[in-house]
Amino acid sequence: DAMVIQNPRYQVTQFGKPVTLSCSQTLNHNVMYWYQQKSSQAPKLLFHYYDKDFNNEADTPDNFQSRRPNTSFCFLDIRSPGLGDAAMYLCATSSNSGRLQGNEQFFGPGTRLTVL
Amino acid sequence: SQQGEEDPQALSIQEGENATMNCSYKTSINNLQWYRQNSGRGLVHLILIRSNEREKHSGRLRVTLDTSKKSSSLLITASRAADTASYFCARRGTSYGKLTFGQGTILTVHP
Repeated sequence: DAMVIQNPRYQVTQFGKPVTLSCSQTLNHNVMYWYQQKSSQAPKLLFHYYDKDFNNEADTPDNFQSRRPNTSFCFLDIRSPGLGDAAMYLCATSSNSGRLQGNEQFFGPGTRLTVL
Repeated sequence: SQQGEEDPQALSIQEGENATMNCSYKTSINNLQWYRQNSGRGLVHLILIRSNEREKHSGRLRVTLDTSKKSSSLLITASRAADTASYFCARRGTSYGKLTFGQGTILTVHP
């Protein structure tokens, strides 16, 4: 089945130790998103890739970076995790034929990050 | 805030009852989408309603949109215990492709 896969599902890291979360998709969608969701809050968009074009949200900290080496994979790098970065990180994809298209997004199961 | 506001924040009902959740927003939209999130999991798309549509149905779901009031509602009829989840509205703006999510409604359906 076509899907969005996130690994690992649970990640524990130490304060300041770099961590990478991964996302892969078999939907062949051209847009991939990374969201941060803290407990009982709405998902907050960090950035997205429209094909190879990287789009950062204005309030996303520099501590967060992303890579998309090909259509199928996208990575979220947290260079120096702080206690406030503990959250669920959600990857999503969509197929947009144009920048003004607003089709549904398909989400992975998320990676829950714990920072010790 | 650019985010949509949802109410109620939490809703507790008995199986078989209807559940209504409301979403308001502040700026113009291209479309508005509703998502469900089971505890500790990713979001699942439920339904999308475009700005030129007023009502849409999908199974037991009914969504309405009133662009003059900048509000939408999601009705789940004949609820089931399996409907227990958080429900989020997400608005798609007119000039940018991203979704902005509301704070969500936590629905609990008791057997």
